Amino acid sequence: QQQVKQSPQSLIVQKGGISIINCAYENTAFDYFPWYQQFPGKGPALLIAIRPDVSEKKEGRFTISFNKSAKQFSLHIMDSQPGDSATYFCAPVEYGNKLVFGAGTILRVKS
Amino acid sequence: ETGVTQSPTHLIKTRGQQVTLRCSSQSGHNTVSWYQQALGQGPQFIFQYYREEENGRGNFPPRFSGLQFPNYSSELNVNALELDDSALYLCASSSQKSTGMGDTQYFGPGTRLTVL
Repeated sequence: QQQVKQSPQSLIVQKGGISIINCAYENTAFDYFPWYQQFPGKGPALLIAIRPDVSEKKEGRFTISFNKSAKQFSLHIMDSQPGDSATYFCAPVEYGNKLVFGAGTILRVKS
Repeated sequence: ETGVTQSPTHLIKTRGQQVTLRCSSQSGHNTVSWYQQALGQGPQFIFQYYREEENGRGNFPPRFSGLQFPNYSSELNVNALELDDSALYLCASSSQKSTGMGDTQYFGPGTRLTVL
């Protein structure tokens, strides 16, 4: 049972471009919607997160857009930089604490 | 403030053996969660401990067990190792509120387990 579907699997963006990663979910028990960033050899690190009563949240170059009725949320990275090259995971939270990870998106930003 | 630490960094075991992985949670955190990340996949929830009690479990067999100590550090034990247990094992700590709502989970660097 795949509760969380993340797309695309991989993404190549030119430096300065916009990176967009999407996440669709089925479980209505999810109550918190974070995105994690993972570099090789490291554990995932929280990038940005949104609560379901908000439709958009922006922190610097990173924006989450949330569509509750469509059960989708997305990550937008503006002015993408080579240092943003990493694997990104959506990981909605079930019952307040259990993270349910998507399969991940490998982002490569070309300089 | 120290972050989440895990030991060992790497481990090689043979099929059928037992392994213990350790995690020290971030200062002030009372909850530890364990995840298994197979190569090229997203982490999968194994279980969570809150104040020394198991507080939720994913779809993993009973040979995966854990402990949380009074200082909130934790151990993950895996018995009768199988080849498919080869993965990165991640520990995450957080501060769970009495309402049950969780806070941000902070991950350690993981332990890379290889089963031969």
